[in-house]
Amino acid sequence: QKEVEQNSGPLSVPEGAIASLNCTYSDRGSQSFFWYRQYSGKSPELIMSIYSNGDKEDGRFTAQLNKASQYVSLLIRDSQPSDSATYLCAVNTGNQFYFGTGTSLTVIP
Amino acid sequence: SAVISQKPSRDICQRGTSLTIQCQVDSQVTMMFWYRQQPGQSLTLIATANQGSEATYESGFVIDKFPISRPNLTFSTLTVSNMSPEDSSIYLCSVEETGYYNEQFFGPGTRLTVL
Repeated sequence: QKEVEQNSGPLSVPEGAIASLNCTYSDRGSQSFFWYRQYSGKSPELIMSIYSNGDKEDGRFTAQLNKASQYVSLLIRDSQPSDSATYLCAVNTGNQFYFGTGTSLTVIP
Repeated sequence: SAVISQKPSRDICQRGTSLTIQCQVDSQVTMMFWYRQQPGQSLTLIATANQGSEATYESGFVIDKFPISRPNLTFSTLTVSNMSPEDSSIYLCSVEETGYYNEQFFGPGTRLTVL
């Protein structure tokens, strides 16, 4: 079983809609959780970190963490074409980072 | 967050040669890592670059093929030795910034093509 699992997509949403990206992890002892955005040909950029159960909002982005279900999600409100990218979920477990394979998001104008 | 630079940004190399990639950080960091990302794939950790000691390699990666140096807390190099076309990939360095919770940030990457 992989440490971090994501649907590879592709996920397509119309401009202005909410994009929902999901991630599950296997180790209940995981302490911190991250979402990275990676544009084609670029390196991953950290966009959200979350450590506690519940929601964390930053602009149009909301990260949601449910440790009991071992589930992390990223919601992007009012999706824009510039949000089209691959989103990587990462988990810090025992001071080691594990990355998911990424979900490709396309926002259609 | 720390500003990370990598050189070269891209290169095209011949089979059998070696390439050294440099990673420079604008502040001192304890943890530096080297990753590989093959086209359409996620990140694969090659090794942790340890300052003052030998790098810690992940399964499937060996020092003879990927020698790493870490002479100080702001700089590291990764060499890809005796290259083959299978080594064509993006190579990324990253740093871990410590705090209450640690966060990891990536350099811009080096796109390597081996002919």
